[in-house]
Amino acid sequence: GESVGLHLPTLSVQEGDNSIINCAYSNSASDYFIWYKQESGKGPQFIIDIRSNMDKRQGQRVTVLLNKTVKHLSLQIAATQPGDSAVYFCAEMVGPGNTGKLIFGQGTTLQVKP
Amino acid sequence: DTGVSQDPRHKITKRGQNVTFRCDPISEHNRLYWYRQTLGQGPEFLTYFQNEAQLEKSRLLSDRFSAERPKGSFSTLEIQRTEQGDSAMYLCASSWGFNQPQHFGDGTRLSIL
Repeated sequence: GESVGLHLPTLSVQEGDNSIINCAYSNSASDYFIWYKQESGKGPQFIIDIRSNMDKRQGQRVTVLLNKTVKHLSLQIAATQPGDSAVYFCAEMVGPGNTGKLIFGQGTTLQVKP
Repeated sequence: DTGVSQDPRHKITKRGQNVTFRCDPISEHNRLYWYRQTLGQGPEFLTYFQNEAQLEKSRLLSDRFSAERPKGSFSTLEIQRTEQGDSAMYLCASSWGFNQPQHFGDGTRLSIL
């Protein structure tokens, strides 16, 4: 069935280091991907997105890489800060002709040590 | 841009009662989505509206669940005869068009006693 999986449930990094969060998706028809950050008691917050015609996209301190050959997505956070501590989800959207519903994985908890 | 707003933030009710949640999307967004999230899991799709039309419902949405978006703006999600298994965070998201970022509200946490 459709699923989006994350490789590690918890990632612990030192403040100032770079973080890499990985995600494997299963549906080769997925053509749009989003990374979300979710803090306790809040809804998912949009971080960055990427479409299937791209391999890499950069934002402020974040980079998303997409490898369609092995169906792998990663989120890189530069100079990780304590405020980056949260659960991170990747989500995929299957297209074309899809309603636009997102399929989420189970999430990776990022812990930033001061 | 005031973001997606959901009300109430928390709802505690007894099993068998009916509950209704409200979502106000970002004003210019024509698509509105409802998701459910249980502890430790990612959100799961429930249903979706384009303007006032409800275009897809998940198999998770039993007959006890109903959603409306009467004027293509705010939406309500009603659960009738609540059960213990309905306890979850109910999230609303909106977007402008297909293949565009969905922006989420902070959800309504439902607890069934």
